Amino acid sequence: NAGVMQNPRHLVRRRGQEARLRCSPMKGHSHVYWYRQLPEEGLKFMVYLQKENIIDESGMPKERFSAEFPKEGPSILRIQQVVRGDSAAYFCASSPLPEGTYTGNTIYFGEGSWLTVV
Amino acid sequence: SQQGEEDPQALSIQEGENATMNCSYKTSINNLQWYRQNSGRGLVHLILIRSNEREKHSGRLRVTLDTSKKSSSLLITASRAADTASYFCASNSGGNKLVFGAGTILRVKS
Repeated sequence: NAGVMQNPRHLVRRRGQEARLRCSPMKGHSHVYWYRQLPEEGLKFMVYLQKENIIDESGMPKERFSAEFPKEGPSILRIQQVVRGDSAAYFCASSPLPEGTYTGNTIYFGEGSWLTVV
Repeated sequence: SQQGEEDPQALSIQEGENATMNCSYKTSINNLQWYRQNSGRGLVHLILIRSNEREKHSGRLRVTLDTSKKSSSLLITASRAADTASYFCASNSGGNKLVFGAGTILRVKS
């Protein structure tokens, strides 16, 4: 049973370009979470999605960032017009149950996508 | 200030010694979890403790939770060089998000 798969693992973008990060949840998991980790910091919640729905996007920056989890295919985190401050590790996690961590069920993290903006 | 703050920020010990890391949080929680992260890698779930639990063990790990002080500790006994990593606490206060602390960098010297 493959874990949460993220790609690319490393991505370099010039300022103003777009970054697309993909996440395939574990088999049987229909709940996906995106977190961002800035250098020397802990992870910060960005968005929680179920298939075709954004459930909680309270941690998403208001501009340039968007996320989707289509009926078919991976979840995508899209960052438009990247700036140097977007350089970070972006982690995806998935869970099998609707309430994820609320009920104390473990969520499973991918290996992350490291974005560097030059 | 930030939810889930950890101390110390960095800890260096000799192999075989015990390592203790502390975490504080601000709001009431449903559960608190500890994760390990090796450099450049994803997070590995270590242990979860619910708000009605005070202590939990898993192998060489021991976690305590004091809801009156809004704090938790992670103890790694008989540390090994392979335990070298960053350790994060993450609190869940309801809903679907975890609030992570800034982490403790543990270095175990052989």
